[in-house]
Amino acid sequence: QVQLQQSGPGLVKPSHTLSLTCAISGDSVSSNTVTWNWLRQSPSRGLEWLGRTYYRSKWFNEYAVSVKGRITINPDTSKKQFSLQLNSVTPEDTALYYCARGGIGSHKIAFDYWGQGTLVSVSS
Amino acid sequence: QSALTQPASVSGSPGQSIAISCTGTSSDVGGYNYVSWYQQHPGKAPKLMIYEVSNRPSGVSNRFSGSKSGNTASLTISGLQAEDEADYYCTSYTSSSTLVVFGGGTKLTVL
Repeated sequence: QVQLQQSGPGLVKPSHTLSLTCAISGDSVSSNTVTWNWLRQSPSRGLEWLGRTYYRSKWFNEYAVSVKGRITINPDTSKKQFSLQLNSVTPEDTALYYCARGGIGSHKIAFDYWGQGTLVSVSS
Repeated sequence: QSALTQPASVSGSPGQSIAISCTGTSSDVGGYNYVSWYQQHPGKAPKLMIYEVSNRPSGVSNRFSGSKSGNTASLTISGLQAEDEADYYCTSYTSSSTLVVFGGGTKLTVL
């Protein structure tokens, strides 16, 4: 059974960096049949896909246009986890953040396992 | 403003069937068979109910079904049960550089 456990601070100051980690059990971040994703949910923006990392003989990253240039998703094979960093945050980045596995279907954009969610507030 | 359009709310009585629509464009819903549906109960993470338009993941009740016609996808729930009361979201692959787009969500009320 795949489980995703998120960790990270719930409060970030404006202009600082948001950092979250998603620990994986029951699967491998290096699996070549799935993708590892970050999404967020807020009343103003709804559900929003932020980006993903995946391994297909080498590592790939893909990011949403809305956060490109500010976002980095990194796998950590030694710790069996992957992380999210979002730079230069503003109050608009306040949201419930989720990690999720893209494990079903051809493009691996159907998210079959989710973390528990982390509420991140951007405030001074 | 979400990329995919869903009705804000739908309702039905126990035992009835309801359908939730999800309208996009030829760049997403209409152009690809990569529509997924998620169920979300309050305070919980979304749960995958349908992927690639009409496929059910293991463990999802066959009361849930998906279809697509043109730029509109639909989720149908038959034999409505109280536990089906939740928010439902559609998503689609998109040829734009953002890869995945979501609908704004539909609140299902079981009367």
